[in-house]
Amino acid sequence: GDSVTQMEGPVTLSEEAFLTINCTYTATGYPSLFWYVQYPGEGLQLLLKATKADDKGSNKGFEATYRKETTSFHLEKGSVQVSDSAVYFCALSRDDKIIFGKGTRLHILP
Amino acid sequence: EAGVVQSPRYKIIEKKQPVAFWCNPISGHNTLYWYRQNLGQGPELLIRYENEEAVDDSQLPKDRFSAERLKGVDSTLKIQPAELGDSAVYLCASSPGVSPLHFGNGTRLTVT
Repeated sequence: GDSVTQMEGPVTLSEEAFLTINCTYTATGYPSLFWYVQYPGEGLQLLLKATKADDKGSNKGFEATYRKETTSFHLEKGSVQVSDSAVYFCALSRDDKIIFGKGTRLHILP
Repeated sequence: EAGVVQSPRYKIIEKKQPVAFWCNPISGHNTLYWYRQNLGQGPELLIRYENEEAVDDSQLPKDRFSAERLKGVDSTLKIQPAELGDSAVYLCASSPGVSPLHFGNGTRLTVT
C-alpha cells in the first residue's frame, strides 16, 4: 500500500544553518504531496504542497520539489530560525486518502 | 475564519471508563476527519465523513470506538470502554474537499 518515509529525528541545527529533511514515498498513480508542521501544543498546519511531478511548493522560506523519478519530496530551507523548531510531517494524498509520515522533530539552537 | 475547534484539550480517565471528544469544523467544510496520533508517530486516520456520511471507517476499531456527525456539522468520537493503549492525541480535521486539511489542536487522552 501507499506509504511515506521520513528521516528520523531529532534534527538539531544552529540558527542560520541550511536544512534538509528527507521524504520518500511509495504510491501507485500520481499522488499529491504535502509538508505539514506542528508547533508545540498546536495542531498540524499545512506548510506547502505540490500536486504533480516537478512542481515546487514553497512557503515561509521552505521549499520542496516533487521528484517522480526518485519518489521524493525533500524539505529544504536556506537559513533556519529558532522559530522553525517544530515537528514536520510529510504526507501524500491519493484517492481521497491522506497518509502521513512519522514526523521529524527539528530543534534550532540560537 | 475560525479554525477547527476541539474539546476538551486534555482528558485523563481510568481504563474501562467511557470518553467522548467533540469537534466543530470550519464552516462550509463538508469533509471531516478523525485521526489518532500516538507519541512520536504521524496521524493515522480513524474515520472520514463526507457531510453526515462516514465514507471511510475501515481503520476505526468498531468494538469500542464510535463516531457520529449529526446534521453534517459537528462530530463526536467516543471510546467505550477505554484501554491503556488508547492513550494518544485525537485530532479532528476538516477540508472543503480532500485537501488541504485544517487541523484542530487535538485532545490529549491519558488512560490510567
